[in-house]
Amino acid sequence: DARVTQTPRHKVTEMGQEVTMRCQPILGHNTVFWYRQTMMQGLELLAYFRNRAPLDDSGMPKDRFSAEMPDATLATLKIQPSEPRDSAVYFCASGLRDSYNEQFFGPGTRLTVL
Amino acid sequence: SQQGEEDPQALSIQEGENATMNCSYKTSINNLQWYRQNSGRGLVHLILIRSNEREKHSGRLRVTLDTSKKSSSLLITASRAADTASYFCAPRYGGSQGNLIFGKGTKLSVKP
Repeated sequence: DARVTQTPRHKVTEMGQEVTMRCQPILGHNTVFWYRQTMMQGLELLAYFRNRAPLDDSGMPKDRFSAEMPDATLATLKIQPSEPRDSAVYFCASGLRDSYNEQFFGPGTRLTVL
Repeated sequence: SQQGEEDPQALSIQEGENATMNCSYKTSINNLQWYRQNSGRGLVHLILIRSNEREKHSGRLRVTLDTSKKSSSLLITASRAADTASYFCAPRYGGSQGNLIFGKGTKLSVKP
């Protein structure tokens, strides 16, 4: 049963701390997306990768956020330093470029920054 | 903005009734996708309709696409309490790198 996995599922931290979220895309998928969802803004695309190369990270605050794919089985999203306004649910999704871009979402990481 | 815009924002119906949600978008598309999100979960792909298709069915779901009006609709027939969720449309525009821009969604509540 292939699915996208994300860790941790929940994270509570204090302002100023570093937060790292991890995503394991579905094996064989070559495109990975990071989204942030809040009540106010809805679902925002932060960054996405194809074949591990970043294609677009214009949705991401560059001063504190960074996204990487160290290898094909791992994508990371880091926030340093974290702020209360970063509190949200962060979703990772993966897909295949050739399958009309259907995306498969992970369960999300619910981040609370106090 | 390139996102699809769903209408209505919220919809409340009784079990057994049909639910219709609409989506409007801005420019020409390759395809349009509908996703469902249950509370506290990630989005789940429901159905994809290509720009050269006008209607598509999947179980109790029926999607229509009118490219002249740049709009799509999702019909859920004989709704069930388990259909309670938020529904999002995501147009995939020509020339895009494969990313989808999601709207705010329609929050559907099906009362037993």
